[in-house]
Amino acid sequence: ETGVTQTPRHLVMGMTNKKSLKCEQHLGHNAMYWYKQSAKKPLELMFVYNFKEQTENNSVPSRFSPECPNSSHLFLHLHTLQPEDSALYLCASSKEREAYNEQFFGPGTRLTVL
Amino acid sequence: QQQVKQSPQSLIVQKGGISIINCAYENTAFDYFPWYQQFPGKGPALLIAIRPDVSEKKEGRFTISFNKSAKQFSLHIMDSQPGDSATYFCAASRIQGAQKLVFGQGTRLTINP
Repeated sequence: ETGVTQTPRHLVMGMTNKKSLKCEQHLGHNAMYWYKQSAKKPLELMFVYNFKEQTENNSVPSRFSPECPNSSHLFLHLHTLQPEDSALYLCASSKEREAYNEQFFGPGTRLTVL
Repeated sequence: QQQVKQSPQSLIVQKGGISIINCAYENTAFDYFPWYQQFPGKGPALLIAIRPDVSEKKEGRFTISFNKSAKQFSLHIMDSQPGDSATYFCAASRIQGAQKLVFGQGTRLTINP
């Protein structure tokens, strides 16, 4: 295991539901990331947190709301999603946020929006 | 200019053969090029990375070849094994500052026994 856990592993939700994805890292890292992985598309960076502060929002729609209460935990709150939001959502962490720091990924949450 | 183009999308290689995956980038400021490997049901994991001060980096059966003038880099897997079957992603970034990684589209590699 990479030291990054994500729950739940699978989630099916309706367009009017509110749900949350959880990520926890046990590596003592300071930077955490949310990525979206869709079939045949590059990994899309959504958000970056560094020392609990959001440092990047990659033009993500407001129906995705991240929360980072501490350097070990990261949440992605989901609200009024669209079917095209169905994808694998990956959490990652790294020691620092500079790109040359290896990013450790969790196994992802497979999200299906009906 | 931020794109990284990866090819092929899928690749089938016989056991013992050489697997080659290619990537091209536009931004000449990029100076860090990692490759990530992803198995089904798992997140990507760093496999090997290179900086442009060298033209080649080898770790076991995995080699990155880097051509700065052509703005291309490639992953070579020698003596490919069925356990190498996975999706491979190239990426690129600038080292200086908190620059994000730009990923390629991924290559699904299958090694036939």
